[in-house]
Amino acid sequence: DIVMTQTPLSSPVTLGQPASISCRSSQSLVHSDGNTYLSWLHQGPGQPPRLLIYKISNRFSGVPDRFSGSGAGTDFTLKISRVEGEDVGVYYCMQGTQAPYTFGQGTKLEIK
Amino acid sequence: EVQLVESGGGLVQPGGSLRLSCAASGFSFSDAWMNWVRQAPGRGLVWVSRIHSNGRDTVYADSVKGRFTISRDNAKNTVYLQMNSLRVEDTAVYYCASDWFYSTDYWGLGTLVTVSS
Repeated sequence: DIVMTQTPLSSPVTLGQPASISCRSSQSLVHSDGNTYLSWLHQGPGQPPRLLIYKISNRFSGVPDRFSGSGAGTDFTLKISRVEGEDVGVYYCMQGTQAPYTFGQGTKLEIK
Repeated sequence: EVQLVESGGGLVQPGGSLRLSCAASGFSFSDAWMNWVRQAPGRGLVWVSRIHSNGRDTVYADSVKGRFTISRDNAKNTVYLQMNSLRVEDTAVYYCASDWFYSTDYWGLGTLVTVSS
């Protein structure tokens, strides 16, 4: 199985400041079809996860443009340009290139 | 509006069985691949299983292979997870989620499965 490793595991951030989360996979996430199926999800307190970014950098419907994704191969990054209060919670990277799908351990974003 | 509503969770003894259901609405269910993902209390997300829109192609995590069976009824817009030989470590909130480019876009609120004697 592909192992997904996120850093940091916890990130205290000041409102209005940027935040960044890294995700590394144990092998390349480039699929045989040429796409890279790396996504980012956010789980607010007491809520189910919701999709933010798919295929590295595509924002899902309704996701604010302060969220952006980048990367290639085995190294990926989620950036929040200006953190807002509703952004608290846990962020997960997820790979869908190879079954079984696997998630990172999660990064807890909290406000300082 | 897309809605996914899970049901069927509860308390079961080790070795027992449960069948989870997930009722979908607001999108073309018969065209959608569907997933089950679980989350143990205070822990992260773990993918469990996926079923193709055709209902025939299925994939499982190794931890549940041979014990869990995913299925769907496109006429009822419902996906199921039959869970047999349950273990204490299967205790979790079970979410169903629709597939989007080998990720998961819409999620239900989940149903809690507790395996304990």
